Amino acid sequence: GAGVSQSPSNKVTEKGKDVELRCDPISGHTALYWYRQSLGQGLEFLIYFQGNSAPDKSGLPSDRFSAERTGGSVSTLTIQRTQQEDSAVYLCASSRQGSNTGELFFGEGSRLTVL
Amino acid sequence: DQQVKQNSPSLSVQEGRISILNCDYTNSMFDYFLWYKKYPAEGPTFLISISSIKDKNEDGRFTVFLNKSAKHLSLHIVPSQPGDSAVYFCAATVYGNKLVFGAGTILRVKS
Repeated sequence: GAGVSQSPSNKVTEKGKDVELRCDPISGHTALYWYRQSLGQGLEFLIYFQGNSAPDKSGLPSDRFSAERTGGSVSTLTIQRTQQEDSAVYLCASSRQGSNTGELFFGEGSRLTVL
Repeated sequence: DQQVKQNSPSLSVQEGRISILNCDYTNSMFDYFLWYKKYPAEGPTFLISISSIKDKNEDGRFTVFLNKSAKHLSLHIVPSQPGDSAVYFCAATVYGNKLVFGAGTILRVKS
């Protein structure tokens, strides 16, 4: 597709369940980012993949959060044993050369609600 | 530790007037600064950027100013239009690393 695609667009889950969020970046983009936006908050960095380098996981809030990027393309963000404070919009973005140009292309986000 | 701060949660401006959105940062290593715009239920979209070697960058109605000594940047929109109503995020980066975003400022342009 032409843009960054995320699925599901909406996910409602019960506390304690695991969830997986998927991101298809723009073809050819080597860098992929996950951010989240909680209600009334800014964009919180979670994790950054750049080519074959080790990912920058410094933003993951706890060990319940993990992400992988297969074949340098699709990425999956997994949240285990979800908690109510995990409720947020999870945004994926990609870029051509990492953040040296700074311009990220964002998907529309996956809205997660944990009951 | 908020490295990028947008201290005004919201701003209301009359159509045709200038909108000025402000951003402060603490990390002197940042070398590239960007503004993103976000409409409800959409992802943020890139608006304008500036390198640390410059103090001004202009693109149509949008101008970004950088004051490195004050660690401050601002986005000027003139003239403001109702379609500019959105959340504006300031972001900064050190070459080759992640973008750090501010909390955002909600701009409302009244017609």
